[in-house]
Amino acid sequence: GAVVSQHPSRVICKSGTSVKIECRSLDFQATTMFWYRQFPKQSLMLMATSNEGSKATYEQGVEKDKFLINHASLTLSTLTVTSAHPEDSSFYICSAGPIRETQYFGPGTRLLVL
Amino acid sequence: QQQVKQSPQSLIVQKGGISIINCAYENTAFDYFPWYQQFPGKGPALLIAIRPDVSEKKEGRFTISFNKSAKQFSLHIMDSQPGDSATYFCAAINTDKLIFGTGTRLQVFP
Repeated sequence: GAVVSQHPSRVICKSGTSVKIECRSLDFQATTMFWYRQFPKQSLMLMATSNEGSKATYEQGVEKDKFLINHASLTLSTLTVTSAHPEDSSFYICSAGPIRETQYFGPGTRLLVL
Repeated sequence: QQQVKQSPQSLIVQKGGISIINCAYENTAFDYFPWYQQFPGKGPALLIAIRPDVSEKKEGRFTISFNKSAKQFSLHIMDSQPGDSATYFCAAINTDKLIFGTGTRLQVFP
């Protein structure tokens, strides 16, 4: 099946720093990618929809200035957590698909903010 | 209305048994219903999916039953195996958004 990669898989940073997470579709082009956040033993919560060549669409309650999304090409979307704080520690997962019904998820990025 | 309710929260099944996970929704605009399997520390993987005009879909040991009038759907895992132990999420798609259920942690014991 199609592959979506994420980098890094795990990151530890100090409070106040910014962290960039990359999401790549390896064998298909994706005009739309999605970013999710998952707390331990909880479901995936959609944070934002990343649109190639245009602004991301954020879900209600998600701070767009804190979670910057850039979809610079048809195979790459990045999520930057700005001025990270311990409460931002979570599992961040992206998804993309050749068609909307088929979403492939990345392996996730574990963020720990100290 | 964007919620997808899922039950049970956790499920323990003996090897060879049938695992059944149920989901319900309110929004009739949902038009595609996938199920995902997630192992600890990994991203979800698409397991099986169904459209609302189909009442049942089977792929190997996995079957989705769909009741459009009741706005409910369920996943049946036949001959459950220890390797099936994972968290299962039902989901529903509205326009481009994938709305996840709350998840069911399945444990299959030998």
